[in-house]
Formats: sequence, structure tokens, C-alpha cells
Amino acid sequence: NAGVTQTPKFRVLKTGQSMTLLCAQDMNHEYMYWYRQDPGMGLRLIHYSVGEGTTAKGEVPDGYNVSRLKKQNFLLGLESAAPSQTSVYFCASSWRTSAYNEQFFGPGTRLTVL
Amino acid sequence: SQQGEEDPQALSIQEGENATMNCSYKTSINNLQWYRQNSGRGLVHLILIRSNEREKHSGRLRVTLDTSKKSSSLLITASRAADTASYFCATDEAAGNKLTFGGGTRVLVKP
Repeated sequence: NAGVTQTPKFRVLKTGQSMTLLCAQDMNHEYMYWYRQDPGMGLRLIHYSVGEGTTAKGEVPDGYNVSRLKKQNFLLGLESAAPSQTSVYFCASSWRTSAYNEQFFGPGTRLTVL
Repeated sequence: SQQGEEDPQALSIQEGENATMNCSYKTSINNLQWYRQNSGRGLVHLILIRSNEREKHSGRLRVTLDTSKKSSSLLITASRAADTASYFCATDEAAGNKLTFGGGTRVLVKP
């Protein structure tokens, strides 16, 4: 099993450009999440999904959109990139039960916006 | 805002010593989890402790939870150079299936 994979691993954008980050998981998890991590800090939740076709806002949703058309995929979009969105983006997934809801993380996407 | 706050922010120890880090949080929780992040990598789950548990062990890891003080500690015994990483606590608030991460403790284990 590949676990959680993220595409691409690195990306450089110019201000105003758009892009989509792809997250895929092969563990049949119901829940999926997008986080950003800034230097020396913990993770902040951008958006999350509790199942196919559903999405919800996290702590820092502004400037991002997401879609969960298939259970195994969770896409994060930046419509008009800004330098403040320079960060490392992590995707994660977990089971539905709250008793064993450890999250499995992808390797991250390092995004630089010039 | 971050639910969990780790202390200390950084820790440097010699191989073989124990490493202890603490996490404080603000609201009621369903469980508390600890994760490790090696440099340039994603987070890896270490251990989960539920709100009705007080202590849990996993290999060289020992986690305690004091819900009355809203705090948890992670102890790594007999540390190794490979334990060099950042460690994050994450709380699962009773309301839903989201985790809120703290800022992390950077641990350096010197050989």
C-alpha cells in the first residue's frame, strides 16, 4: 500500500497564478485533511472532508478551495496565489471512528509563491 | 489559534538520556495524540491516549494525561540519535473528528 501520496512535491508559482495539489489515499479512509505548516510552527488546518462529496472549512480556509469527488482523492486549489501562501502543505487521512482516529500523513508539497 | 502548546520549544540531550516534553491544552478533549516529524518529512503517529486514560506505554515512549490540569507529557527513554525530530501533540476535541496541533518541541539527540 502506498498510504497517502501527494502531487507535486515541489512547486514555484508567481503571484496570481493558480494551481491544484492532489492528495490520494489507498486506505479507504472516510476523513481527509489539508494542512499548512510554516517554518518552526505546527500544522494549521485549511479544509477537511468527512466523506465523498463533502468539504468543510478549517482554521485558515481563505484563499483555498477543495473538492472530494472521489473517496480516495482530496484536491486543494489556489485560485490566485499570494506570497503569504508560501508554505509546506500536508494532506492526511483517518478512519471515521473517534476512538482510533490517528491521522496518516503524506510527504508534503513545498510551495513557493514569488 | 492552537489548542496544544508544547514545552520546551527545543531540547538537546546526549544519546542514552531521557527526553521529556509537555503539552498543555485549553478545552475538553476526546483524545490526545503525539506525532513525530523528521526533517523534511510528513508527520508520523506515535501514540494516542484517550481522555479516560492516565498513562500509556509504547516501546520506549511513555505518555501521561492529566485532564484536570489539561496537560500531557511524552517521555522518550534511552534516547538514540534517530530520535532527533520534532514532536507534536494534537488534541481531538470532543466536538468532532479534527485534530488541533501544537507548535512542537524540537529534540536533538547528540551521539
